[in-house]
Amino acid sequence: DVKVTQSSRYLVKRTGEKVFLECVQDMDHENMFWYRQDPGLGLRLIYFSYDVKMKEKGDIPEGYSVSREKKERFSLILESASTNQTSMYLCASSLWDSQETQYFGPGTRLLVL
Amino acid sequence: AQSVSQHNHHVILSEAASLELGCNYSYGGTVNLFWYVQYPGQHLQLLLKYFSGDPLVKGIKGFEAEFIKSKFSFNLRKPSVQWSDTAEYFCAVIGTYKYIFGTGTRLKVLA
Repeated sequence: DVKVTQSSRYLVKRTGEKVFLECVQDMDHENMFWYRQDPGLGLRLIYFSYDVKMKEKGDIPEGYSVSREKKERFSLILESASTNQTSMYLCASSLWDSQETQYFGPGTRLLVL
Repeated sequence: AQSVSQHNHHVILSEAASLELGCNYSYGGTVNLFWYVQYPGQHLQLLLKYFSGDPLVKGIKGFEAEFIKSKFSFNLRKPSVQWSDTAEYFCAVIGTYKYIFGTGTRLKVLA
């Protein structure tokens, strides 16, 4: 079974703090993704990566950056957290082929005060 | 622009009722279509997917979906729902590398 793990299930941070969300997958997948999930808005893609050190902006990259130094790990960074970044963050991975299923982690619920 | 529309945001059904959740997409290329489900407290997981061939696709737990190209639709169906089908359902279309998800439909099944 594919396993995608996220470093925290719940996080509480203060406005202006730098926040790191980590995601690790164990199936040697090329593609990794970060989404945020908000009620009524579904899943919105923040960034994705199709290879080590490669990254592409998704639909809502503002206020976020990412890092992929190793194939299995994809980090989402909030340089200066703001209250409008309070959300559920989901990581996913897939094989390189666009037809492939995405496998999701359990999510990190982030509250920015 | 590519988009996915799910018309029903909240659906409440009694057990044994039939289910149909609507999904329409807007995408110019060859479509790959998916339905994902998120049970309470669990990960998002794949329910079923369509790439090509038979437009009627069967998935897990008795779900099926029909791709109707002329209507740009990929509706999800189940003839008889169970309490355990209570979940949030997401339709998605995929372009190059990138999934586009609908806003989701929350289904509540009353026992």
